[in-house]
Amino acid sequence: QKEVEQNSGPLSVPEGAIASLNCTYSDRGSQSFFWYRQYSGKSPELIMSIYSNGDKEDGRFTAQLNKASQYVSLLIRDSQPSDSATYLCAGVSGGSNYKLTFGKGTLLTVNP
Amino acid sequence: DGGITQSPKYLFRKEGQNVTLSCEQNLNHDAMYWYRQDPGQGLRLIYYSQIVNDFQKGDIAEGYSVSREKKESFPLTVTSAQKNPTAFYLCASSIVLEGGEQYFGPGTRLTVT
Repeated sequence: QKEVEQNSGPLSVPEGAIASLNCTYSDRGSQSFFWYRQYSGKSPELIMSIYSNGDKEDGRFTAQLNKASQYVSLLIRDSQPSDSATYLCAGVSGGSNYKLTFGKGTLLTVNP
Repeated sequence: DGGITQSPKYLFRKEGQNVTLSCEQNLNHDAMYWYRQDPGQGLRLIYYSQIVNDFQKGDIAEGYSVSREKKESFPLTVTSAQKNPTAFYLCASSIVLEGGEQYFGPGTRLTVT
């Protein structure tokens, strides 16, 4: 069973701090990874995609991928209360370029 | 505006009734998906479709059925055979050949009593 696991949380950080969200995956064939943000009662929103080893930055968000360690992370700099949500990590299953496996999510709370 | 629409937002049914959830997209995406989300469970794949008139079972297809008669539409029927149908149902779509990025509709919250 191919799995994506996220640190269980919940994670609480003060406003302005860096929030670090982590994810590991079991399928060595997975090539692409995605971070979704889901506010309570709403559907997931894609915020970052990463396809190669290293860092990818987009505004206050940085995604990191380490294929050797099978590890993906999302850093949120200068965290804001509006970042409070559940963050879902997902990976494309090996052998497919479209079928995603999702982690269970990490609940982040940013305290003013 | 391009996007994915799901209707209705909330749906209430009595046990033993079949119910169909609507999903429409105007993104010109080839692939469409149905997921189910339960508290603390994450997203689980029910069915997916790469092209019109073709679809495959996901991880939890029992008690569900789908059709894909048009590229834009991928309705999901929750049958009376589904033992625990109360959940948040999410439809998504993606351009099959590019990176696997999936975009979600707003979801339908189904309650069966």
